[in-house]
Amino acid sequence: DGGITQSPKYLFRKEGQNVTLSCEQNLNHDAMYWYRQDPGQGLRLIYYSQIVNDFQKGDIAEGYSVSREKKESFPLTVTSAQKNPTAFYLCASSIDGEETQYFGPGTRLLVL
Amino acid sequence: KNEVEQSPQNLTAQEGEFITINCSYSVGISALHWLQQHPGGGIVSLFMLSSGKKKHGRLIATINIQEKHSSLHITASHPRDSAVYICAVRWEGADGLTFGKGTHLIIQP
Repeated sequence: DGGITQSPKYLFRKEGQNVTLSCEQNLNHDAMYWYRQDPGQGLRLIYYSQIVNDFQKGDIAEGYSVSREKKESFPLTVTSAQKNPTAFYLCASSIDGEETQYFGPGTRLLVL
Repeated sequence: KNEVEQSPQNLTAQEGEFITINCSYSVGISALHWLQQHPGGGIVSLFMLSSGKKKHGRLIATINIQEKHSSLHITASHPRDSAVYICAVRWEGADGLTFGKGTHLIIQP
């Protein structure tokens, strides 16, 4: 089955810790995206990558980092510099930067 | 700041009713997306359109580029249509999408 997987579904972070959220796709898509969703707000773009070994900051990149070493994988690290990390994180991919985006099931991050 | 506005924010209707959700945006776009988010959080892409009208089953999406407005219609609504419907746009010359806050739809039996 082709699709996007995110893990874990729930993630708990202690103050001052870095955590990494996984996103994998087997759709052979070039473009991948990370979004953050907060209650009552629309999704906001954190980072995106249109090709392997290249990525760009989105609207709210501060406190986050990404890598794109493989076409299939686009992990997101929430660093200790992100002061309000509790949110629902969604990963998406598309054939290229202009086509329909396919979303993963999301990871809910909670700070203890 | 470029914005995407959706209305209504919340909508409750009876099964079988015709549903309309609206989306307005501030400047030129290259594409508009309609997405559906279910209570578990998963998001499904319904439509991507840049002009005219698209139909898939009971769902119809229209866009008026001159008026910077799009509508999502659901015919013969059913309780399983209950979800949050999200409008998103790609601004001309920009990367990534800008999302509306969503319309929370509840269809009662």
